Amino acid sequence: GAVVSQHPSWVICKSGTSVKIECRSLDFQATTMFWYRQFPKQSLMLMATSNEGSKATYEQGVEKDKFLINHASLTLSTLTVTSAHPEDSSFYICSARDWTGVGQPQHFGDGTRLSIL
Amino acid sequence: DQQVKQNSPSLSVQEGRISILNCDYTNSMFDYFLWYKKYPAEGPTFLISISSIKDKNEDGRFTVFLNKSAKHLSLHIVPSQPGDSAVYFCAASLNSGGSNYKLTFGKGTLLTVNP
Repeated sequence: GAVVSQHPSWVICKSGTSVKIECRSLDFQATTMFWYRQFPKQSLMLMATSNEGSKATYEQGVEKDKFLINHASLTLSTLTVTSAHPEDSSFYICSARDWTGVGQPQHFGDGTRLSIL
Repeated sequence: DQQVKQNSPSLSVQEGRISILNCDYTNSMFDYFLWYKKYPAEGPTFLISISSIKDKNEDGRFTVFLNKSAKHLSLHIVPSQPGDSAVYFCAASLNSGGSNYKLTFGKGTLLTVNP
């Protein structure tokens, strides 16, 4: 089945550090990838939609200068949390849309646990 | 405003029996519905989807039913197995009109299948 790889799986770093998270579709091309954030016992909240070769589309309330998204190829999107602070600590998950699949489902990476000290 | 609702945070079922997970939605424009399964510390895994023009889709032990008039869908797992124990998310999508196929998720239902 479709595989999406997300790296790193866990990051612990000091406040003020910038952290980059990578999302790769391993066996299919993804013109569209998505970045989500999940708080404990809550659903996945969409942060932004990443389109290959163009600017990302951010959801309301998400700071685009804080969460930089780059989708430079059909298999790779990156999310950079700039100058991270403790309130940015969360579980971040990416997904890639499989346009060849019935209903074009999104396939998810295993997430990145970000802890800012 | 939560557009996709899973009102049961948890469900416990005996092995071999049927598991029924429910989901309600408010936006009648949604045209695709999906179910995902999630284990702790992993990303959601796509299970099954259904188009809004259908009322049933079956894949092995998993069947999804859609009742558009009631804005309700359900996932049936028969027979349930201990390995099915996970959090199940219902999601809805707008696959038209430049919506970019964004998914709206429910809060999930924790299914526990007891041996």
